Amino acid sequence: AQSVAQPEDQVNVAEGNPLTVKCTYSVSGNPYLFWYVQYPNRGLQFLLKYITGDNLVKGSYGFEAEFNKSQTSFHLKKPSALVSDSALYFCAVRDGRGNKLVFGAGTILRVKS
Amino acid sequence: DGGITQSPKYLFRKEGQNVTLSCEQNLNHDAMYWYRQDPGQGLRLIYYSQIVNDFQKGDIAEGYSVSREKKESFPLTVTSAQKNPTAFYLCASSMTGQGRNQPQHFGDGTRLSIL
Repeated sequence: AQSVAQPEDQVNVAEGNPLTVKCTYSVSGNPYLFWYVQYPNRGLQFLLKYITGDNLVKGSYGFEAEFNKSQTSFHLKKPSALVSDSALYFCAVRDGRGNKLVFGAGTILRVKS
Repeated sequence: DGGITQSPKYLFRKEGQNVTLSCEQNLNHDAMYWYRQDPGQGLRLIYYSQIVNDFQKGDIAEGYSVSREKKESFPLTVTSAQKNPTAFYLCASSMTGQGRNQPQHFGDGTRLSIL
């Protein structure tokens, strides 16, 4: 069965500094990886995905993620954080066969001015 | 403007009462999902449906029921058997088949509380 770990409950970063939100996964076969963001009392918004191809994936709002097969990781990154990036971030994985996603527990990102 | 609509936004349940959460999508997606979100636990799958008139239990189906009579609609009933229903409930939809590499789309959720 697939699983996702987000080892940090919260990440704090100063505005303008680079940010990283970590995600590791376990899945049989090729992984299909997704990052979502959630603002308070809202649904999840899709940021980016890795299906195949380049290990560096670019997504919405300046976010990118690096797929590392040997480390089974898919860390979310942004070169320069904004206060408006403060939100709850979820990593999710799907195996190659089904439609179901398995989500990590989420990481709260706080960007301070 | 395509999307997923969940209603109501806030819902209160009395002891012994069943309540139904609505989810409607106009994205023409075959698959629909219900998740429960509790603080610090991420999203847990309650039920999902990949086609009309068919649905499967997810990881935490006990105390919940669903129906899928129309492609656009996937209502979730929280029954009195669910002893801890207080949570944020999210509905999602996605393509299937060759389109399943596309992300799931989410509604804005229903927050259910016990009176």
